[in-house]
Amino acid sequence: DIQMTQSPSSLSASVGDRVTITCRASQGISDYLAWFQQKPGKAPKSLIYAASSLQSGVPSKFSGSGSATDFTLTISSLQPEDFATYYCQQYNSYPYTFGQGTKLEIK
Amino acid sequence: EVQLLESGGGLVQPGESLRLSCVASGFTFNSYAMTWVRQAPGKGLEWISAISGNTFDTYYADSVKGRFTISRDNSKDTLYLQMNSLRGEDTAVYYCAKEGPTAFITGQIDNWGQGTLVTISS
Repeated sequence: DIQMTQSPSSLSASVGDRVTITCRASQGISDYLAWFQQKPGKAPKSLIYAASSLQSGVPSKFSGSGSATDFTLTISSLQPEDFATYYCQQYNSYPYTFGQGTKLEIK
Repeated sequence: EVQLLESGGGLVQPGESLRLSCVASGFTFNSYAMTWVRQAPGKGLEWISAISGNTFDTYYADSVKGRFTISRDNSKDTLYLQMNSLRGEDTAVYYCAKEGPTAFITGQIDNWGQGTLVTISS
């Protein structure tokens, strides 16, 4: 199975900041990488697919990049509603594994 | 608007069975693969199963293979997860999710249901 490792596991930031979350795959996955946002007690929300393509309706403050084994999610101009847990997921090969999550907290 | 509504969760004892349902609306159901993802309390997301739009292909995580069965009724726009021989470690919120962009299983999730809680305890 492909292991997905996110860093950091938690992150404190202030409103207005720009933050970057990293996701590393244990083997190359091309660009078959998605990012999700989850708020406490809520279902995940799809943000990005194919490493850098925004899902419909997702604001451009979210951006993704990377290929092969190293990927990043960048969120610019943080707003209170952006504080959540973020997960990456590879869908290059099944089982389609998730990272352990990165909790973004308000400083 | 895509809507996915899960039901069927609850409290059961170890070794018992449960069937989850997910009713879909807002898209042509048989044109897309569907997936189940679960989340144990306080833990991360775990992909567990997927089914193609035409029902011909099914995939399972090793943790549920041989105990869980994914199926769908395209005439009812409904996805199912039959869960047998349940264990304490199966306790989780179970999410139904729609894949894109085709009826083949790709693993690319674009929409999620609200989830249903399954608790396994004696």
